[in-house]
Amino acid sequence: RKEVEQDPGPFNVPEGATVAFNCTYSNSASQSFFWYRQDCRKEPKLLMSVYSSGNEDGRFTAQLNRASQYISLLIRDSKLSDSATYLCVVTGGEGGSYIPTFGRGTSLIVHP
Amino acid sequence: DTEVTQTPKHLVMGMTNKKSLKCEQHMGHRAMYWYKQKAKKPPELMFVYSYEKLSINESVPSRFSPECPNSSLLNLHLHALQPEDSALYLCASSQDSHRIGTENTEAFFGQGTRLTVV
Repeated sequence: RKEVEQDPGPFNVPEGATVAFNCTYSNSASQSFFWYRQDCRKEPKLLMSVYSSGNEDGRFTAQLNRASQYISLLIRDSKLSDSATYLCVVTGGEGGSYIPTFGRGTSLIVHP
Repeated sequence: DTEVTQTPKHLVMGMTNKKSLKCEQHMGHRAMYWYKQKAKKPPELMFVYSYEKLSINESVPSRFSPECPNSSLLNLHLHALQPEDSALYLCASSQDSHRIGTENTEAFFGQGTRLTVV
């Protein structure tokens, strides 16, 4: 079983739509959670950290559910420029390792 | 400054060549990573350096040889590569690879070196 699982999509949505991605992780000792965005042929860039209390940054909301071991990313009012792959990243575990572990990524396509 | 700089951006090399990829960060991070990413796949961890010492080698073939000359620099020496080694090679850094607490544990990535082995 993969440590971090995501639905690869693609999610194909019209501009203005609300879209949500989930990610599950298997290591209950995981401590830090992030969403990264990766554009085609570019490096991953940190989109937001995910806290137990949830956090919001403009149109983006991230939530963590430790009991069910999943994190989510909600994008409201989708823009064409949101088209990218969204990578769920989890760190922390045995021995306090903070080496990033990636999900396979979820592809989002926003169309006019 | 949250920048990780990688050079070169693109590299084409023959199977008998020797080349090196370079990575630099000035954020005071003590953990640095090499990842390999193939098209439509997530980054795969290759090596982890913690406080300038190699702490993890994910069973990477010896034709890839990492080096950490100081806390700001990370190199990846390449020799006798195969065409299947063609990929995007990403360097990343974070404050630490082992740390108590959950603040500032995110990793920052360089733009990558797109490597083609011919």
